Amino acid sequence: AQSVTQLDSQVPVFEEAPVELRCNYSSSVSVYLFWYVQYPNQGLQLLLKYLSGSTLVKGINGFEAEFNKSQTSFHLRKPSVHISDTAEYFCAVSIRSGTYKYIFGTGTRLKVLA
Amino acid sequence: NAGVTQTPKFRILKIGQSMTLQCAQDMNHNYMYWYRQDPGMGLKLIYYSVGAGITDKGEVPNGYNVSRSTTEDFPLRLELAAPSQTSVYFCASKNRDTGELFFGEGSRLTVL
Repeated sequence: AQSVTQLDSQVPVFEEAPVELRCNYSSSVSVYLFWYVQYPNQGLQLLLKYLSGSTLVKGINGFEAEFNKSQTSFHLRKPSVHISDTAEYFCAVSIRSGTYKYIFGTGTRLKVLA
Repeated sequence: NAGVTQTPKFRILKIGQSMTLQCAQDMNHNYMYWYRQDPGMGLKLIYYSVGAGITDKGEVPNGYNVSRSTTEDFPLRLELAAPSQTSVYFCASKNRDTGELFFGEGSRLTVL
């Protein structure tokens, strides 16, 4: 079975400071990894994904994530956050074999402070 | 580029009433999903479909039903609404090649 753990439910950070949102996963088979962002009163949208290849993945709005197979992690980072980055961020895994399974973490609420 | 369209955006139901949440996508995706989102709980899968005529239960199917008569549409039916079904419901479809999910804007349901 697969699982996704987002260790921090809330992360407050000052504007222009760096931020890291942590994600760990568990799976006995190969997976694809995703980060989604949800702005208030909106649906989720894809921030970035890791399918294969380079373990450092760049996404929209200056975010990046690094896939670490040995630590089964896929942490999300941004070197300098803006007020507009305030949102909820979800880590997710999908099994590579193409089945329906798509497991989400419980989310991390990023609050950027002025 | 409509993507995934959900209706209605908001609805208040009385206990015991029934209703259907509509979901349509125009990307010709075979995989479609219904999730519910409760505060601090992330997303829970209610039902999913891998193509027209094929549906199956997810983690929390009780109290819901779905149908998939076309590739485009995947309605979610709530029978005998209960306060525990107060939630935000999201429909999504998946690009099978990239694995990316495309979400609707959500339907906020309150059962009183």
